Amino acid sequence: AQSVTQLDSHVSVSEGTPVLLRCNYSSSYSPSLFWYVQHPNKGLQLLLKYTSAATLVKGINGFEAEFKKSETSFHLTKPSAHMSDAAEYFCVVRSATDKLIFGTGTRLQVFP
Amino acid sequence: DSGVTQTPKHLITATGQRVTLRCSPRSGDLSVYWYQQSLDQGLQFLIQYYNGEERAKGNILERFSAQQFPDLHSELNLSSLELGDSALYFCASSVAGTVEGETQYFGPGTRLLVL
Repeated sequence: AQSVTQLDSHVSVSEGTPVLLRCNYSSSYSPSLFWYVQHPNKGLQLLLKYTSAATLVKGINGFEAEFKKSETSFHLTKPSAHMSDAAEYFCVVRSATDKLIFGTGTRLQVFP
Repeated sequence: DSGVTQTPKHLITATGQRVTLRCSPRSGDLSVYWYQQSLDQGLQFLIQYYNGEERAKGNILERFSAQQFPDLHSELNLSSLELGDSALYFCASSVAGTVEGETQYFGPGTRLLVL
């Protein structure tokens, strides 16, 4: 069965500093992995996805993630945080039956 | 704006009641998914429909049911509501639901409060 583990429930950074949100996955086959973002009182927006093509995936708003099979990781990074990045971030794996399995989420706080 | 619409935005009701949540997928999308987001359970997949037929079931209670109509909109029916059903209910849609890595686009959600 597929699953994802988000290693940090909260991450706090200063504006202009790098962001690292960690995610490990478990899958019996090559997975499809996604990062979604949820701003307060808003729906979920896709940031980026990995589908067995390039291991370094670039997404919207300057975010990127690297698929590392040897480490079963799919960490989300951004070189420089912006205040508008403050939100909840979900690492997601697509199951064999097409449903999305969500991690528990990481709340990103950005301080001025 | 994802192109997925959900109504109503907010719903307040009492225990024991029944409510219907509505979702219109993006134009051209055949698959509709329902998810529940609660504080204690996180985001959980409930059910998927593809072109009118149920395709996959997740952690959906027997008190809950869904359907997808010929015009592809979907409704999620929640009955005999309990306090614990209070949550944010999301609908998502995708083109087919079978392509590897296919993106699911999420609606803004319906926030249900059961008093």
